[in-house]
Amino acid sequence: AQTVTQSQPEMSVQEAETVTLSCTYDTSESDYYLFWYKQPPSRQMILVIRQEAYKQQNATENRFSVNFQKAAKSFSLKISDSQLGDAAMYFCAYGGAGSYQLTFGKGTKLSVIP
Amino acid sequence: DAGVIQSPRHEVTEMGQEVTLRCKPISGHDYLFWYRQTMMRGLELLIYFNNNVPIDDSGMPEDRFSAKMPNASFSTLKIQPSEPRDSAVYFCASSLYSNQPQHFGDGTRLSIL
Repeated sequence: AQTVTQSQPEMSVQEAETVTLSCTYDTSESDYYLFWYKQPPSRQMILVIRQEAYKQQNATENRFSVNFQKAAKSFSLKISDSQLGDAAMYFCAYGGAGSYQLTFGKGTKLSVIP
Repeated sequence: DAGVIQSPRHEVTEMGQEVTLRCKPISGHDYLFWYRQTMMRGLELLIYFNNNVPIDDSGMPEDRFSAKMPNASFSTLKIQPSEPRDSAVYFCASSLYSNQPQHFGDGTRLSIL
């Protein structure tokens, strides 16, 4: 079974600075998808970014980018120019190509300090 | 486009009562998922449907839980009888097809007294 590990329960960053959230996963599959979701206090689950394992290029969405290291099974999220609205729980998720399910990590709570 | 719509947003009821949670997926999405989120266990997949058919319900914790999808635009998750340990946030999500991002509703916060 796949597992997703987020080793940082909590992180903090100064406004306008850059922060990196870590995620590792365990799988025997070669084709899969990885996601980062954001859950603000309003409890919505918002998709931040998506990465296909067959793509070597790291995904980027505005201030959000990933560092995907397939061999190391690592998928970190970098948030640049952090804003107060970035404060939230961030969940890393794995989806196998042959499966319709997502496996979520336990989450990292990000605080942004003004 | 409207997102995934869940109702109610909050539900407080007494132990033993029947609880019904509702979900309207995004139009055209073939997959619908029900999740439960707790502090202890995080996000757990309970069941998912493809084209209204339940595909995998191995995450449903007990026979007290049941889910239906009578048509492409509506699904329910029912707990009968409810217990205090069922207190959690329940999310519904939908996706266009496998491996596409799942789009979540705002969740239902369920409190069983």
